[in-house]
This record gives sequence, structure tokens and C-alpha cells, in this order.
Amino acid sequence: EAGVTQFPSHSVIEKGQTVTLRCDPISGHDNLYWYRRVMGKEIKFLLHFVKESKQDESGMPNNRFLAERTGGTYSTLKVQPAELEDSGVYFCASSQGAGNYGYTFGSGTRLTVV
Amino acid sequence: AQSVTQLDSHVSVSEGTPVLLRCNYSSSYSPSLFWYVQHPNKGLQLLLKYTSAATLVKGINGFEAEFKKSETSFHLTKPSAHMSDAAEYFCVVILPASGGSYIPTFGRGTSLIVHP
Repeated sequence: EAGVTQFPSHSVIEKGQTVTLRCDPISGHDNLYWYRRVMGKEIKFLLHFVKESKQDESGMPNNRFLAERTGGTYSTLKVQPAELEDSGVYFCASSQGAGNYGYTFGSGTRLTVV
Repeated sequence: AQSVTQLDSHVSVSEGTPVLLRCNYSSSYSPSLFWYVQHPNKGLQLLLKYTSAATLVKGINGFEAEFKKSETSFHLTKPSAHMSDAAEYFCVVILPASGGSYIPTFGRGTSLIVHP
């Protein structure tokens, strides 16, 4: 079984540019989560999809971040325009259900905004 | 408020000595609990999980954790540290979110340092 795949693994962009991160969950996993870890800080929840619907987006920092999951398969997280404080590692996770199910995380995308 | 607390930001041990990484949670019910590990420049890897079955959970690489409801704790242990155990460890608790869903919520992480 393939795991959760994220790409790119690394991205370096200039302030003001746009970047799109992608997450491919495990096939059949309806639940998809995005997290972010800013340097030296905690891993923070961004949002949760159930299939193509946003179940909870309470962690999204501001309207420069846009997440989509068309068709309930892969998800994208777009940052536009990127700011210096957006630098960090963005993780994606998927699960078959919620609560007691296991959560499989991707390797993350390391975003550096210069 | 419901939360997860990792009591130590860093733990330093000598190779061959026991490891104890502490995690406490605050929840109005018995949640599911996980430990994940992240090695440098690697992704998050599941070590073990507790989902209301046996209170002593065995994971990979010799790690285990014991769920103690009375103490609201889920501490991670290993009898003998190995150099390859040096990494960052995260306690994760599934907590209900405002939107009605359940969200894996991370502790701040504990860096394990292993000395030769």
C-alpha cells in the first residue's frame, strides 16, 4: 500500500510569489489533514477535509492560504502571496475514519520563503 | 480545555540506559493516543497507538507506552537507548474540534539526545 505522498519535498520561493503544495492521501482515505510546523514551534493543525468538503478549517492562518480537494482525492494547499513567516514544514495526513483510526503522515514539504 | 502536554522539550540519555518521554493529556473522555517520531530530515513515523484495548502498548524499535487513565498520562519508554533513537518524539491525542470532527493534536515535541 502506498503511503501519503507530498510534493515537492522542498520549495524555495521569494516573498510575494505563489506556491502550491500537493498531498496524495492513501487511496480510500476520506479524511485528509494539513498541518504546519514553523521553525522551532509546535506542529499546528490547519484544516481537515472529509472527502471534498472542508470539515474544519479553524487552523488556517489567514486568507492567503487556500486548500482544495477536488473530487475527494488529492489536495492542494496554495499560499498566495507568500510571506517570510510562512516558512516551515507542511505536513499532510490521511485516515480512513476519524477518532480511533490510525493516521498516516506524509514526509512533509519544507517551504522556505526568502 | 482539552490539550496534550509533553513535559520535557529535551531529554538526554547515555546509550544503553532507559528512556522515558512524558506525555499528559487533558480530555473529558478517554481519547486515542499516539506516539510519532521524526528523525532529522525525515517524515513523521508512527511508533505506537492506544485505542482503548490493552493499556500497555508495544511499538516498533523496542518502544512501549502505558496508558494510565487515573494519571491522564501516556509516557513512552524504552529499556535501553540506542544511538539511532536520537530524534524528535511527538505525543498525539485525538481531540474533538469545534467543527464536530476529531483532530490529531500534537504535543510540542521532545528531542531525545543519546550520548555514546
